[in-house]
Amino acid sequence: QQQVKQSPQSLIVQKGGIPIINCAYENTAFDYFPWYQQFPGKGPALLIAIRPDVSEKKEGRFTISFNKSAKQFSLHIMDSQPGDSATYFCAASMGSNYKLTFGKGTLLTVNP
Amino acid sequence: DGGITQSPKYLFRKEGQNVTLSCEQNLNHDAMYWYRQDPGQGLRLIYYSQIVNDFQKGDIAEGYSVSREKKESFPLTVTSAQKNPTAFYLCASSPQGSANEKLFFGSGTQLSVL
Repeated sequence: QQQVKQSPQSLIVQKGGIPIINCAYENTAFDYFPWYQQFPGKGPALLIAIRPDVSEKKEGRFTISFNKSAKQFSLHIMDSQPGDSATYFCAASMGSNYKLTFGKGTLLTVNP
Repeated sequence: DGGITQSPKYLFRKEGQNVTLSCEQNLNHDAMYWYRQDPGQGLRLIYYSQIVNDFQKGDIAEGYSVSREKKESFPLTVTSAQKNPTAFYLCASSPQGSANEKLFFGSGTQLSVL
């Protein structure tokens, strides 16, 4: 049972475009929603995270939009650059639970 | 430099063989984790440890074993009972009190079957 569904599986944009990656969750007890960025051959790194008490969080060119009623959240990358080409994972967890449930990932390619 | 070191980077397993993946951290983190990554499948939790000498099964623990004898070390053994071990294995840690809120990952070990 996949508790966090991520789409699309892959995405190609031109430099300067705004790629959007979407995630949907089922468990309403989830209260923490991070995004991780992974470059080939490396481990993922925390990019940005949000809690359900806000609808949007922005850090630099990265923005999370959160829709609690729809149980969906998304990552937007403004003015995307070739260096943003990576795999992006959304995730969710509840309380102080040590388990983080990941989506299947989105391979983003930003062409020059 | 502080961080998580995984070794080896590449590992090959023969039929019926147990292999051990190393994970060492010098971040002074209490919690450590092992994840398995398969292409297009995201990351799945194998085992995690909140403190020394204690660990819990994750979602896919069958065929794996761990130990946590030292705070900085959390080795993973892939046993012969794991019939499909080919994957990218990631070790992670998190600071005390943050549970899984910010995971710091190593660079991974790619395990393949000969």
